[in-house]
Amino acid sequence: KQEVTQIPAALSVPEGENLVLNCSFTDSAIYNLQWFRQDPGKGLTSLLLIQSSQREQTSGRLNASLDKSSGRSTLYIAASQPGDSATYLCFPGGYQKVTFGTGTKLQVIP
Amino acid sequence: DVKVTQSSRYLVKRTGEKVFLECVQDMDHENMFWYRQDPGLGLRLIYFSYDVKMKEKGDIPEGYSVSREKKERFSLILESASTNQTSMYLCASSSPRGDRKSYEQYFGPGTRLTVT
Repeated sequence: KQEVTQIPAALSVPEGENLVLNCSFTDSAIYNLQWFRQDPGKGLTSLLLIQSSQREQTSGRLNASLDKSSGRSTLYIAASQPGDSATYLCFPGGYQKVTFGTGTKLQVIP
Repeated sequence: DVKVTQSSRYLVKRTGEKVFLECVQDMDHENMFWYRQDPGLGLRLIYFSYDVKMKEKGDIPEGYSVSREKKERFSLILESASTNQTSMYLCASSSPRGDRKSYEQYFGPGTRLTVT
């Protein structure tokens, strides 16, 4: 069974800052790792998918890295904007039973 | 564009009612999942299915059942709704086979269920 921990639980930053969100998982035998964002009261929107053979993936201002052997992934957000305010969750793919953390709740202050 | 749809965005039911939440995916995925999400507790897996008519319990199956009669549809059933089942319910699907994006999870928009 896979368990996920995300640190910090909450983060508040001024607009324009670069920031890093951390994700750790207990079993390194994953197929891939996804990062999602969730706006209040909504479903999960996929941001990035990193294959197990990759080290990182980029989309616009977002960069996700994966260190499978140590069970860690980071999501780097450059030049943060108020529209980035949301909860961010990571999801290691390849398992049916995954215990999620509560994600990282990000607030970007104008 | 791939899609997972859920039958209702908001639902209000009374204690003791039988409740059906429907999820449909159009990607021919083998795996389908039902989660509930509560403040401070994160996403918790209720049930999942890896094929038609197959199901397995997740971490919190008590008070719920599921049905998967067709590959594209996965239903969550609350046999007798209770107030502690008030929650956001999220459906997801994935495929263990195919291209390099295998096991990529797709989530539906969620159903906010209130039991009074």
